[in-house]
Amino acid sequence: GQQLNQSPQSMFIQEGEDVSMNCTSSSIFNTWLWYKQDPGEGPVLLIALYKAGELTSNGRLTAQFGITRKDSFLNISASIPSDVGIYFCAGQLGSGGSNYKLTFGKGTLLTVNP
Amino acid sequence: KAGVTQTPRYLIKTRGQQVTLSCSPISGHRSVSWYQQTPGQGLQFLFEYFSETQRNKGNFPGRFSGRQFSNSRSEMNVSTLELGDSALYLCASSPTTDGYTFGSGTRLTVV
Repeated sequence: GQQLNQSPQSMFIQEGEDVSMNCTSSSIFNTWLWYKQDPGEGPVLLIALYKAGELTSNGRLTAQFGITRKDSFLNISASIPSDVGIYFCAGQLGSGGSNYKLTFGKGTLLTVNP
Repeated sequence: KAGVTQTPRYLIKTRGQQVTLSCSPISGHRSVSWYQQTPGQGLQFLFEYFSETQRNKGNFPGRFSGRQFSNSRSEMNVSTLELGDSALYLCASSPTTDGYTFGSGTRLTVV
């Protein structure tokens, strides 16, 4: 089955630093999504990417859909303490088929030191 | 606008029992998906419903089942609970097929 490799598994950074994390897949996806999960809550959608090569920003967050459709990255600029949490990438095949499930990476635990 | 509501938030069950979890999607959302989250396996897809029909199913045993009602509310059922079923069960809804919004989940503990 499809698998997503997300790296790094964890990051410990100083407030104000930039952060980068990425996901790679053994097969293509037609949609890439990035979620953030806080303790005791469900994942919250940060950015959705629908087209190979697409670069999308949401405030201090920027994500890109890789040209090969097998990878995506997320950058966070000028990190702040509330950025702490677990970040997940997710891929969706969809697009005409019936496969709308999300395949998730294992997550990146981000800790920001004030 | 109300989000995705899952009930109950916490549940403790004994091995061998069965459990039913409920999910109320965002108003107007017709697609509801269920995921299991554990520390070891991460987020795993269970099944997805659209307009009362199951469209996709993940690789879980038949003890896991679900259904969707005409008002788009969904339930999932786990029969003959095992210790390994302890997890956070998340429901997500979407107007169509993407941009899923997740609920806060139901934390199930099997003892």
